[in-house]
Amino acid sequence: GAGVSQSPSNKVTEKGKDVELRCDPISGHTALYWYRQSLGQGLEFLIYFQGNSAPDKSGLPSDRFSAERTGGSVSTLTIQRTQQEDSAVYLCASSLVAGKEETQYFGPGTRLLVL
Amino acid sequence: AQSVTQLDSQVPVFEEAPVELRCNYSSSVSVYLFWYVQYPNQGLQLLLKYLSGSTLVKGINGFEAEFNKSQTSFHLRKPSVHISDTAEYFCAVSGLGGSYIPTFGRGTSLIVHP
Repeated sequence: GAGVSQSPSNKVTEKGKDVELRCDPISGHTALYWYRQSLGQGLEFLIYFQGNSAPDKSGLPSDRFSAERTGGSVSTLTIQRTQQEDSAVYLCASSLVAGKEETQYFGPGTRLLVL
Repeated sequence: AQSVTQLDSQVPVFEEAPVELRCNYSSSVSVYLFWYVQYPNQGLQLLLKYLSGSTLVKGINGFEAEFNKSQTSFHLRKPSVHISDTAEYFCAVSGLGGSYIPTFGRGTSLIVHP
């Protein structure tokens, strides 16, 4: 079956512009996560959706970052007024349900470069 | 603070040699432990995970890991590596602070030389 897909695979933007990153989770997966991966760093948790519950936004680094998940499926991460420090790979993952023991299935990521 | 530490940022080895990638975590409560691998320009994929039971866990591609509760470690091993094992390896721990969200280590780059 299809895995997690993300688009675009690469995005180059100018400082101050807004960007939207898209994630299509595995069909039937109720939990969806966004992470940021910077060079030499681990994965930094950004936001987590579980079913129809309110998302856990505790990892968002600033109010320029927001995300939504429509219809319990596709998710969009939006970064407003991008800064150079936002340059990173943004990874999306999904799991069948939310749980400490659950395996996460990752997309290939979107590589964002802010000039 | 609860954390996950991967002690080596880079591990170079020759093909067919054994390898161990180290992972330690700090937690006073029960946790679940994972190793993920990331090949170049790809997302992460699960190698293996420890939930309960036997402390020796076998995963894909000949990898295994041993959970050591007293040392709060979950080191990854392979007796004989291949060129194709060259990748970034991430240790992750969930249950820290009761959270569903796993905490990832900074990763270890395994470089296999011919």
